[in-house]
Order: sequence, then structure tokens, then C-alpha cells
Amino acid sequence: NAGVMQNPRHLVRRRGQEARLRCSPMKGHSHVYWYRQLPEEGLKFMVYLQKENIIDESGMPKERFSAEFPKEGPSILRIQQVVRGDSAAYFCATRTSGSWETQYFGPGTRLLVL
Amino acid sequence: AQKVTQAQTEISVVEKEDVTLDCVYETRDTTYYLFWYKQPPSGELVFLIRRNSFDEQNEISGRYSWNFQKSTSSFNFTITASQVVDSAVYFCALTSGGDMRFGAGTRLTVKP
Repeated sequence: NAGVMQNPRHLVRRRGQEARLRCSPMKGHSHVYWYRQLPEEGLKFMVYLQKENIIDESGMPKERFSAEFPKEGPSILRIQQVVRGDSAAYFCATRTSGSWETQYFGPGTRLLVL
Repeated sequence: AQKVTQAQTEISVVEKEDVTLDCVYETRDTTYYLFWYKQPPSGELVFLIRRNSFDEQNEISGRYSWNFQKSTSSFNFTITASQVVDSAVYFCALTSGGDMRFGAGTRLTVKP
């Protein structure tokens, strides 16, 4: 059973471009969380999704950021018109419906905005 | 509101010394889970331990041990006989059913 996969592992974008980060949950996991880790800081919650639904987006910036978890395929975190302050590591974590206490983390995507 | 505080930003020790990383948490929930993760320079998160709020037994795993005290809302982590490979950032985290709340992390440097 493969672990949580994220791609790309590293992403470089110029200011104003779009960044798309993908998270493929473990088999059987229908819950996805996205976290952001700014340099020298801890992880901060951004958004929580179940298949086709956004459950909690209280940690998402109001503009330029969006997330989806379609019925088929990976969860996508999309950042439009990136700025230097978006440079960070973005982690997703997934879990099953029955085990709310345990989230499995992916290896993260390091976004660098030039 | 939930909150995790790791007051120690950086700790530096010499190899073979023991070191304790502090974690204090706040929650109004009676059922919750506490975690410790290690983040080596490569950047991934390495799961170390999960402890639920009803189990206050201390745990030992090799050179690692954890002291959970509900009375002081603390979940401290001790590394015995530290090694250079223990150098990393360590995060304490808390969840009670929603997202996980992380502390700011403690950067541990173990010098040879």
C-alpha cells in the first residue's frame, strides 16, 4: 500500500504564474488536509476536503488560493498569481473515515517563487 | 481554541548528552490526541508517537521517551544519549477531530 504521494516535490514559479500542487491519498482514504509551512515555522492548517466537498477552509487565504478533491484523481491545491510570500512547503495529509485521529502526511511540495 | 506551544526555539547539545524538548498544549476537548514529529533537513515529516488523552502512561522507545502529564497540559519528549543523526526540527501537534495544530517547532542540533 503506497503512502501519500505529492507531486511535484519541488516547484519553481515566477511571480504572477499559477502553481498546481497534487496530493494522491493512500488507498481507501477519502479525507484530505492541506497544510502550509512557511520558512522557519510550524505547519498551519489551510483546508480540509472530503471527496467532492470542502468541509473546512478556514485556514485558506481569501484570494488566489483554491482546493478541490474530485471524485476521481488527486486533490489539487491551486495558487493563482503567485507572489514571493507564497514560497513555502505545502503538505497534504489524508485519512480514512473511521480514524479521525490519525492523518498520514505526504512528503510535501516545496514551492519557490522567484 | 486549541494551541500548542514549544517554548524552546533552538537547543544545542553535544553528542551523548540527554535532551528534553518541551510541549505545552491548550484544548477544551476531553478527547484529543498528541503527536511528535521529526523533520530532518530533507524536509519530510517523520511520525514519532501518538498518544490519546486517556492514556497518561509514559512511553519509551529505544533512546526516545515521552512524558504526558494532563495536570500540567504537557507532553515532553526526551532523547537519551543524543546522536548527530538526531539533529532536526521536532514538532509537537494536537488534534481532537479536525485539523492538527502544530507548535512552532524546536530545532535540535547535536554536535559531535
